[in-house]
Amino acid sequence: GAVVSQHPSRVICKSGTSVKIECRSLDFQATTMFWYRQFPKQSLMLMATSNEGSKATYEQGVEKDKFLINHASLTLSTLTVTSAHPEDSSFYICSARARLSGGALRSQETQYFGPGTRLLVL
Amino acid sequence: GNSVTQMEGPVTLSEEAFLTINCTYTATGYPSLFWYVQYPGEGLQLLLKATKADDKGSNKGFEATYRKETTSFHLEKGSVQVSDSAVYFCALWMDSSYKLIFGSGTRLLVRP
Repeated sequence: GAVVSQHPSRVICKSGTSVKIECRSLDFQATTMFWYRQFPKQSLMLMATSNEGSKATYEQGVEKDKFLINHASLTLSTLTVTSAHPEDSSFYICSARARLSGGALRSQETQYFGPGTRLLVL
Repeated sequence: GNSVTQMEGPVTLSEEAFLTINCTYTATGYPSLFWYVQYPGEGLQLLLKATKADDKGSNKGFEATYRKETTSFHLEKGSVQVSDSAVYFCALWMDSSYKLIFGSGTRLLVRP
């Protein structure tokens, strides 16, 4: 099946530093990539949606200057947490929708999830 | 707006017991429905899906039927195993909003 990878899987950083998380679709082209945040024992919260070559669309309440998203190609998106603080500590999960050929409906696409990146800010 | 409601967990069962996790949705239109599973410390894996009313999704012994009349997509398995212990998320997708909307998740614990 389709695979989405994330790197790093875990990161510990000092308060005030920036952290970059990479998300790659390994064997398919992604029409769109999504970034989620998950707090312990809670559901996934969508942070932003990004399409290759265009600016990300952020959900209400998500600071776009703090969570920088770059979607450089159809297989790579990055999330940079700038000037991280302890409250940014969380589990970040990326997801990618597989592009289908021949005018298929978007509802027919499958959305694959990465394994997640656990960020701890000290 | 669109939303998904799941039964609260945790659900604790003995091995080989029957499992039902309830999921209902609210949507303006005709969503696609999904069940995802999350094992500890991992991302989500697609378990099954249904894209239109009366469709049944199935995988690894799990089943769910898209019921438009009751706006439900309950997850069932006839005989659970210890390895099924995980968190299960019900979700819907609408092309109009272009995003998955998740339920709160239901933790399943299967005891030997």
